[in-house]
Amino acid sequence: EVQLVQSGVEVKKPGESLKISCKASGYSFTNYWIGWVRQKPGRGLEWMGIIYPGKSETRYSPSFQGLVTISADKSISTVYLQWGSLKASDTAIYFCARHASPLGILDSWGQGALVTVSS
Amino acid sequence: QSVLTQPPSVSGAPGQRVTISCTGSSSNIGAGHDVHWYQQLPGTAPKLLIYVNSNRPSGVPDRFSGSKSGTSASLAITGLQADDEADYFCQSYDSSLSASVFGGGTKVTVL
Repeated sequence: EVQLVQSGVEVKKPGESLKISCKASGYSFTNYWIGWVRQKPGRGLEWMGIIYPGKSETRYSPSFQGLVTISADKSISTVYLQWGSLKASDTAIYFCARHASPLGILDSWGQGALVTVSS
Repeated sequence: QSVLTQPPSVSGAPGQRVTISCTGSSSNIGAGHDVHWYQQLPGTAPKLLIYVNSNRPSGVPDRFSGSKSGTSASLAITGLQADDEADYFCQSYDSSLSASVFGGGTKVTVL
């Protein structure tokens, strides 16, 4: 069974850095794209980007390019989403999701991680 | 403003049929890219409901069906049930953005 287990709730101040994680199990981690989706409170889903752990190849949405970094550690089947300097507008739930294709089909999702950025 | 356009809400009585539209453009659905649908129950992560326009993953009831034509796609729910109350999102790939895109989501209410 595919499982994606995300790290917990984060409360940070503007300007701080953050790295959240998503540990995958139940499938070959290096053979699937895996990525991140943002959902602001009461809003829709926004596709942020993906990584192919087998080659460390990344693709970002233009809306998030340069604002976040997606990385992966094959040795522990974990994907990360990182910010260098958080803003209040980064407050959201972040979901990791396995992609059956780099063009879509998000077939397994993590439980979500709430990130709150407030002074 | 989302690249794919969905109605904010639809509603129906138990047992009725509702449809949700997803309108795109020549750079996404109209370019031949597939459409996928997700169901998000309150307070939970989204779940894949329909993939590649009209295919149901194992375990999804056949009350849910999808179709695609031109620059649009649709999700139909027949025999509406109380536990179908959720937000539904369409998703496709946009060649101009070189990124996946979602619709704004549609809240289904069972009257």
